[in-house]
Amino acid sequence: GAVVSQHPSWVICKSGTSVKIECRSLDFQATTMFWYRQFPKQSLMLMATSNEGSKATYEQGVEKDKFLINHASLTLSTLTVTSAHPEDSSFYICSATAGDQPQHFGDGTRLSIL
Amino acid sequence: KNEVEQSPQNLTAQEGEFITINCSYSVGISALHWLQQHPGGGIVSLFMLSSGKKKHGRLIATINIQEKHSSLHITASHPRDSAVYICAVDPSGSRLTFGEGTQLTVNP
Repeated sequence: GAVVSQHPSWVICKSGTSVKIECRSLDFQATTMFWYRQFPKQSLMLMATSNEGSKATYEQGVEKDKFLINHASLTLSTLTVTSAHPEDSSFYICSATAGDQPQHFGDGTRLSIL
Repeated sequence: KNEVEQSPQNLTAQEGEFITINCSYSVGISALHWLQQHPGGGIVSLFMLSSGKKKHGRLIATINIQEKHSSLHITASHPRDSAVYICAVDPSGSRLTFGEGTQLTVNP
């Protein structure tokens, strides 16, 4: 089946640094990629939707200058958490889809900011 | 009230038992998804359905559009089925709204 690779799977870094998370669709061209955030014991919350070659659409309450999303190609989207702080610690997960196909999820990135 | 509600929130079963997880939603949808999230966090899409019933191995998913209700069944459950099962609905396009998940533990 379709595979989405997310990297890194775990990041620990100091407060104030920026962290980049990559999401790649390995065997299909993803017209749309989604970025989610999940707090412990809670459901996934959509942060933004990105379409290749255009600016991401952010959900209400998500700071676009804080969470920079780039979808430069049909197989790669990146999420950069800028000037990360402890409250940004969370589980981030991406998904990718081609047209009306089911979303295929990455394995997620656990981000811990010290 | 959440747009997507799952029950039960937690479920413990013995190996071999038949398991049912329910999902009710309050919006019109174009499709409903059942997802499985393992302890490490990775998510696998189990089913996408818009009507009727689908079966894959020991898993069966049904949906009743009129009643806005779906069920996920696991036959002959096994400890490796232990995971969080998430119901998600797609009102239109591809933005999903997620339920809070059902934590399933299957004991040997």
